[in-house]
Amino acid sequence: SSELTQDPAVSVALGQTVRITCQGDSLRSYYASWYQQKPGQAPVLVVYGKNNRPSGIPDRFSGSSSGNTASLTITGAQAEDEADYYCNSRDSTGNRVVFGGGTKLTVL
Amino acid sequence: QLQLQESGPGLVKPSETLSLTCTVSGGSISSSSYYWGWIRQPPGKGLEWIGSIYYSGSTYYNPSLKSRLTISVDTSKNQFSLKLNSVTAADTALYYCASCVTTVTTFYVDSWGQGTLVTVSS
Repeated sequence: SSELTQDPAVSVALGQTVRITCQGDSLRSYYASWYQQKPGQAPVLVVYGKNNRPSGIPDRFSGSSSGNTASLTITGAQAEDEADYYCNSRDSTGNRVVFGGGTKLTVL
Repeated sequence: QLQLQESGPGLVKPSETLSLTCTVSGGSISSSSYYWGWIRQPPGKGLEWIGSIYYSGSTYYNPSLKSRLTISVDTSKNQFSLKLNSVTAADTALYYCASCVTTVTTFYVDSWGQGTLVTVSS
């Protein structure tokens, strides 16, 4: 079982805003990072740290955190955002890395 | 931008050792900016962190795999490697090598290899 919990599936209407959440005790101490994975492809980092985007990631992707919950927000979801999204952080001890179980995002 | 490429057998027999190598290009494996990691994904399932290594040889392993796992680095070849002993069908997965960044408050995977499928079967 994962120490980071994500909803298995979320849907959003095209152009609307969606929030994907990740819960875990370690998130009180560590920021989450977020990855997008499309079928047949390796994951791609979309948000890391407090709210940082790698070069080339659209600014409609943003991250936030409150208590034991980290969130990835997509503002104005596009069809190409349909993918699996994974959160990732250190565990509570700081010595291990954990991934959430993933959230499948459907853009309607 | 770093590029990482996994290599190794795609089929391993049960109870044998799974061995993979990751070749890093576009940068030095001796960079102090990165840890070098392995992550796997069973077919149709989520991501699992296997372990990481620093260029100095310091390693961090997933406790659930630690007893079977060795990760090593070869700075002369700009490569790092994974060995997983006594494999079973549960070790069948897409194996990714990755460059990882860790700070006091965060950990993230900066770049991923394309992944290599390893099937454990007789």
